[in-house]
Formats: sequence, structure tokens, C-alpha cells
Amino acid sequence: NAGVTQTPKFQVLKTGQSMTLQCAQDMNHNSMYWYRQDPGMGLRLIYYSASEGTTDKGEVPNGYNVSRLNKREFSLRLESAAPSQTSVYFCASRLTASSYNSPLHFGNGTRLTVT
Amino acid sequence: GENVEQHPSTLSVQEGDSAVIKCTYSDSASNYFPWYKQELGKGPQLIIDIRSNVGEKKDQRIAVTLNKTAKHFSLHITETQPEDSAVYFCAAPYAGGTSYGKLTFGQGTILTVHP
Repeated sequence: NAGVTQTPKFQVLKTGQSMTLQCAQDMNHNSMYWYRQDPGMGLRLIYYSASEGTTDKGEVPNGYNVSRLNKREFSLRLESAAPSQTSVYFCASRLTASSYNSPLHFGNGTRLTVT
Repeated sequence: GENVEQHPSTLSVQEGDSAVIKCTYSDSASNYFPWYKQELGKGPQLIIDIRSNVGEKKDQRIAVTLNKTAKHFSLHITETQPEDSAVYFCAAPYAGGTSYGKLTFGQGTILTVHP
């Protein structure tokens, strides 16, 4: 039972380069989320997808785009990476967006460094 | 949006002692308060949560209390063990209400339990 799988685990980019972070879940969850984690700031929501076919902005969406490829997969794209995007990125999923009895499951993160 | 403040940022205790972490929130409409534990190199994992219609919830050595009037909630860990050492995050719904996957996180508390 893999849960939420993120690839890659580590990545180093130069300023201006682009890349896509991949996320897949095998729990048949409807809702998926992208968070970033920075020291002393907790986790902040970038984008989310309440259900297949829908996406919406979170707290810090600037510089990112997302694609809900299908029910299992939700990718995060950096079109032109900036040093301020150096962070640890976490993908998460839950069964539904509004059900209380549905814990948020996190992947193990992608550590991204932009030089 | 919601604002969540968490204290202390670090907490060091002896094995067997109790540990308490406190969070305050700003949006009186928030009604769901989860706590996450994050071990090194892993994603956060839900350990306990509480809804605003109860004042306390316990699960073995872990308890969460909620004071809606004062808008704060706390995590209590009794009989601490070295394996409780981790980073703990509190959270509340990002825009208040019932968006349980869209969360605003506290800044995190590094708990160290000394044998």
C-alpha cells in the first residue's frame, strides 16, 4: 500500500529552469493538494483539486501551475524557477474535500533547491 | 483567511514527563483542528483532531483541548517516550468553515524527549 508517492525526492534547478513535480495516490481519494514547507513557516497551501477535473488556488499560488491528470495524479509545475521557490514540497490527498472523517494523507516530499 | 500561531517553537522534556503545545487561531468560523506529527524525512501524519462541538478528545497518551471563546487549542502528550521526538504542527481550515483539506498550519514545535 504505497499511499501518496512523490517524485523526484530531490532536485536542484538553476534560476529560470522549469520542472514538474509528480504526485500519485492509490487510495481512490477525490481531493488532492500541494503544500510547501519552509523553516519557521509551517506548511502553506499552493493549489488544490477538490475533485477530478477541478483545480483552484491556495494561499501561495504565484509562480506555479497544476494539472489534475486523472483521479490518481496531480502534478505541480514551476515554469521559471526562482530562488524563493527553494522549499520542500508536499503532496497530500483525502477522500473528499468536505468530509470531516477523512484524514489528510501526505507524501514524503520533494526537496527543491533553486540556485 | 485564518491565522494560526503555535508555541513554543522548541520543547525539551525528560522521558516520562508531559509535553504541552499551544495554538491560537483567528477565525471564529473555524470548526476543525487537527494535529500532525512529522518525523525526519517524512511527510506530516495526523495524530489527533477535534471538532468545535467538543472541548476535549483523548487517544491513549495524546489529548487535545479546545477553548472556542479564547480561540486556542492545545496538544497534551503524557508519559513521553523518545519516539515522541518529532516536529508537531497544529492547523485550522484555511478560510474558516469546513474545508478540511485546505489548512493553515502553525509554525511547528520541535519536541525532543531525552531518555
